Amino acid sequence: DQQVKQNSPSLSVQEGRISILNCDYTNSMFDYFLWYKKYPAEGPTFLISISSIKDKNEDGRFTVFLNKSAKHLSLHIVPSQPGDSAVYFCAASEDAGGTSYGKLTFGQGTILTVHP
Amino acid sequence: NAGVTQTPKFRVLKTGQSMTLLCAQDMNHEYMYWYRQDPGMGLRLIHYSVGEGTTAKGEVPDGYNVSRLKKQNFLLGLESAAPSQTSVYFCASSSILATYNEQFFGPGTRLTVL
Repeated sequence: DQQVKQNSPSLSVQEGRISILNCDYTNSMFDYFLWYKKYPAEGPTFLISISSIKDKNEDGRFTVFLNKSAKHLSLHIVPSQPGDSAVYFCAASEDAGGTSYGKLTFGQGTILTVHP
Repeated sequence: NAGVTQTPKFRVLKTGQSMTLLCAQDMNHEYMYWYRQDPGMGLRLIHYSVGEGTTAKGEVPDGYNVSRLKKQNFLLGLESAAPSQTSVYFCASSSILATYNEQFFGPGTRLTVL
């Protein structure tokens, strides 16, 4: 039962254009959503997050959008740069209270390639 | 401030051998986690700990044991390695006060079981 899904295994974009990475989830108890970036031979690094009370969060070139009714979130990178080439994971978590203990459920990842 | 470190970085085992992976964090985080990453599967939670002396099962705990004797360390053990345990293993930690439950990851251990 895959609660968080990234249906696109890969995405190829030209430098300077927009990259849009998508993520769908099924668990309505998820309250926090995160994006991680992973380079080869390194651990994932936290990129940006959003809580369920918001529908948009921006940080520089990165914007995350959340559509709760559709159980869908997306990460927009504008403009895309070759250094953005990496694997991007979306993750979701229930509220830190109770027994969630900060656990994250990850999607399968999307390989982003930005061509110069 | 090293963050999260993992030892070793690489290891090759024969089926049936045992080993322990060590994770250490210097951020005084309460929560620690062990994941495995396999192609097309994302990161799957093996075990986690919410404090010193506590452990709990995650999504894929079979074949693994863990211990957290000190707050800063979280050990993952394989008692009898199997080829299905060939994977990249990541340790992560997070603060009980984290706003979005963001976790900080180590660099990973690549394990091959022959």
